[in-house]
Amino acid sequence: SQQGEEDPQALSIQEGENATMNCSYKTSINNLQWYRQNSGRGLVHLILIRSNEREKHSGRLRVTLDTSKKSSSLLITASRAADTASYFCATPSNTGNQFYFGTGTSLTVIP
Amino acid sequence: NAGVTQTPKFQVLKTGQSMTLQCAQDMNHEYMSWYRQDPGMGLRLIHYSVGAGITDQGEVPNGYNVSRSTTEDFPLRLLSAAPSQTSVYFCASSQRRGTSYEQYFGPGTRLTVT
Repeated sequence: SQQGEEDPQALSIQEGENATMNCSYKTSINNLQWYRQNSGRGLVHLILIRSNEREKHSGRLRVTLDTSKKSSSLLITASRAADTASYFCATPSNTGNQFYFGTGTSLTVIP
Repeated sequence: NAGVTQTPKFQVLKTGQSMTLQCAQDMNHEYMSWYRQDPGMGLRLIHYSVGAGITDQGEVPNGYNVSRSTTEDFPLRLLSAAPSQTSVYFCASSQRRGTSYEQYFGPGTRLTVT
C-alpha cells in the first residue's frame, strides 16, 4: 500500500491551544493535500502544498513539507471547538490519477 | 450547485445480493472516483474515471464495477455483496489540472452487509 500515515492517531486539546499533526508518505510527490472530515460527513479540502514549497499558510492553518524526510505537518493555531474533526493528508500518484490518503488524525477541541 | 450527491445514505444488504450506489456531480468535472473508508485504514481508492467512457481500477477494485456513460454520473456496482464490503463509500469529483487538484466529496453511503 502507498498510504501515508498520520501521527498522532488521536489528539485532544483545550480551545485556544495549537494543534499539530504529522503525515509521513512513501513515494516522491508533486504536491500534498490536507483534508478535514467532520463526523458522518465527506472530506473537505483544506490546503495544497507543492513539492517546491516548504511552508504554506491559510488563515489559522500552517502546513510544512519536508520532501527529504517525506513528511508534512499541519498546524492549527488558536483552535476552536468547531475544529473538532478528523484530518487526513493525501498524495497523488505520478500520473495524478490516484490519490493515497493517510489513516487520519482525530482531533478533539474541548471548549 | 448541489456539488456531489450520493444515494442512498444507508443500505443493508444480505450476502450475495447486488446493488448500485449512485453518484452524481453538477460541476462538469472530468475526474470522478470512488473510495471506501474503514476504521483505521483511511480512504482507499476503488475505481476512478478521467472522463466519460473511461474508467480504471484503483487500489481495491475487486468485487466492484463502474461505468461512466455521462460526465455527471458515476455509479458503483456491487456484484455479489460480502461482509468484507461493509464500509462507508465516498464518491469524489474534481477538475484535473495536472496532479494539483482538489477533490470534492459527497456525503457518503454507509453500507452494511450481513
